[in-house]
Amino acid sequence: RKEVEQDPGPFNVPEGATVAFNCTYSNSASQSFFWYRQDCRKEPKLLMSVYSSGNEDGRFTAQLNRASQYISLLIRDSKLSDSATYLCVVNTFNDYKLSFGAGTTVTVRA
Amino acid sequence: NAGVTQTPKFQVLKTGQSMTLQCAQDMNHEYMSWYRQDPGMGLRLIHYSVGAGITDQGEVPNGYNVSRSTTEDFPLRLLSAAPSQTSVYFCASSPGLSGETQYFGPGTRLLVL
Repeated sequence: RKEVEQDPGPFNVPEGATVAFNCTYSNSASQSFFWYRQDCRKEPKLLMSVYSSGNEDGRFTAQLNRASQYISLLIRDSKLSDSATYLCVVNTFNDYKLSFGAGTTVTVRA
Repeated sequence: NAGVTQTPKFQVLKTGQSMTLQCAQDMNHEYMSWYRQDPGMGLRLIHYSVGAGITDQGEVPNGYNVSRSTTEDFPLRLLSAAPSQTSVYFCASSPGLSGETQYFGPGTRLLVL
């Protein structure tokens, strides 16, 4: 079983729509959670960290469910510029190795 | 700050050739790492370093060597290239050792024939 699993999508949504997707992780000792964004043929960049109580950053909302071992990302009022692959990243405390999901592709159409 | 830089951007090798992928960062980060990204598989950790003179293996270390003689530089050596090493390689650095933000270089696209 992969440490981090994501629905690859693609999620094809119109501008202004809301899109949400999850990521599951297998290690219950995982402590740190992140969403990264990767544009086509570019390097990944941090979108946001995910905190236990959930957190928002503008139109983006991240949630953590430790009991079911998943994190989620919700994008409101989608923009064309949100089209990208979103990578779920998980880290275990005191472990220097991050585990990456394969990514969820979102395409926002005009 | 240039951030994390990688050279070359593209490389074509023949099976059995060796080469070194260069990575440098100017942010004085202790933690540096190398990943490879293959379609549908996410980034996989090859080797990492928690400081100058210290390196360790990641998930897929076979066929690769690293060294960390300075804080700034973390080269990745392919000893004898194989077609299975065709991939996109990303170098990353981080200010901390507990999963804080990873800053990625622009990547090196490698094709092994």
